[in-house]
Amino acid sequence: GNSVTQMEGPVTLSEEAFLTINCTYTATGYPSLFWYVQYPGEGLQLLLKATKADDKGSNKGFEATYRKETTSFHLEKGSVQVSDSAVYFCALRRTGRRALTFGSGTRLQVQP
Amino acid sequence: EAGVAQSPRYKIIEKRQSVAFWCNPISGHATLYWYQQILGQGPKLLIQFQNNGVVDDSQLPKDRFSAERLKGVDSTLKIQPAKLEDSAVYLCASGSQSGGYGDTQYFGPGTRLTVL
Repeated sequence: GNSVTQMEGPVTLSEEAFLTINCTYTATGYPSLFWYVQYPGEGLQLLLKATKADDKGSNKGFEATYRKETTSFHLEKGSVQVSDSAVYFCALRRTGRRALTFGSGTRLQVQP
Repeated sequence: EAGVAQSPRYKIIEKRQSVAFWCNPISGHATLYWYQQILGQGPKLLIQFQNNGVVDDSQLPKDRFSAERLKGVDSTLKIQPAKLEDSAVYLCASGSQSGGYGDTQYFGPGTRLTVL
């Protein structure tokens, strides 16, 4: 079946540190891949997406590259800020389907 | 553009009671989803509507959960009777068809259900 595996959190970083949150997936065909973010007290928001192999999604300084050979979609940011503290969810959408399959989420805490 | 609205935001009930949640999607969005998010886990799809028809309800516990989307707009999700393991946040999301299978899902703030 389809599944998404994320690194466990919490991830604690100092401001301006480099961030990587690992995400790998299992799926048939060619899924679309997403990162969603949930800030404290808010709903899920789309952060970035990639719909085919080697695509790079980017937004707000975050990037992720769709790597089919390693079935990965790792989230990166060169310099995190305190305001990036949130829970990050990796998700996939199967080919021909609209519903999302989510990972378990990774909490990021950025300290000043 | 108004976002996805959900109510109530919080609900506390005793086991074996019934409860209903309401969702109003973004205007014009044909697709509506209900997800269940248990604490510490990612959201899991319960049911997906396209207009007022069910597309996928394979993970909906149909012995106790039901959902409807009358007139292809608002939707309600009901649990009857509730169990302790139903304690979770229930998320509603909507999406348009215009972007094909890569279109974005927009999520509401969720309803946090606690079953005692």
